[in-house]
Amino acid sequence: GAGVSQSPRYKVAKRGQDVALRCDPISGHVSLFWYQQALGQGPEFLTYFQNEAQLDKSGLPSDRFFAERPEGSVSTLKIQRTQQEDSAVYLCASSRDRNSGANVLTFGAGSRLTVL
Amino acid sequence: QKEVEQNSGPLSVPEGAIASLNCTYSDRVSQSFFWYRQYSGKSPELIMSIYSNGDKEDGRFTAQLNKASQYVSLLIRDSQPSDSATYLCAVNRGSSASKIIFGSGTRLSIRP
Repeated sequence: GAGVSQSPRYKVAKRGQDVALRCDPISGHVSLFWYQQALGQGPEFLTYFQNEAQLDKSGLPSDRFFAERPEGSVSTLKIQRTQQEDSAVYLCASSRDRNSGANVLTFGAGSRLTVL
Repeated sequence: QKEVEQNSGPLSVPEGAIASLNCTYSDRVSQSFFWYRQYSGKSPELIMSIYSNGDKEDGRFTAQLNKASQYVSLLIRDSQPSDSATYLCAVNRGSSASKIIFGSGTRLSIRP
């Protein structure tokens, strides 16, 4: 596609519900990143994929968070048993090549999660 | 100590002046450095990337990198009201398996 597409754009969940956030990166982009951005803060790294391989998941805050990219394109971030502190904008970004150091990120519009 | 540190601001600069934004990082092996701009309610978008010591200019923007001092800066010349946004510094080690770390951002306000 022309850009990084994320859905849903807005999600309201009751505490304890499970949610799934989808990211459709730019076609052919090898690297895919998930970030969590709280209000007034910078994006916090969650996890990174190179094709279907999850190379770094050190930023996932707890075992309630799980991400996958089974076919190396679309990725899903799943949050189980949501808590109020999970309320944030979840940003997905992709980059063209394997070497994430040399390539820049293109971000999606984000999914805003509100946990009541 | 955070890996990437920025002054949160707000930084207020008169229209037409030079805005100077600074960023320090803690990981000495970092190789790649980026400045992203984020308007309120929008996603970050890349302004500049810099990989070697010195200055890199692109239009009204100049990125400066000093690896020995572990800082990177962004200068915006002839500031315009449309430059009012949050500026995010991002750092990466440069290897294929490394993550890109963002600072918390500096809010810039250009006053007419």
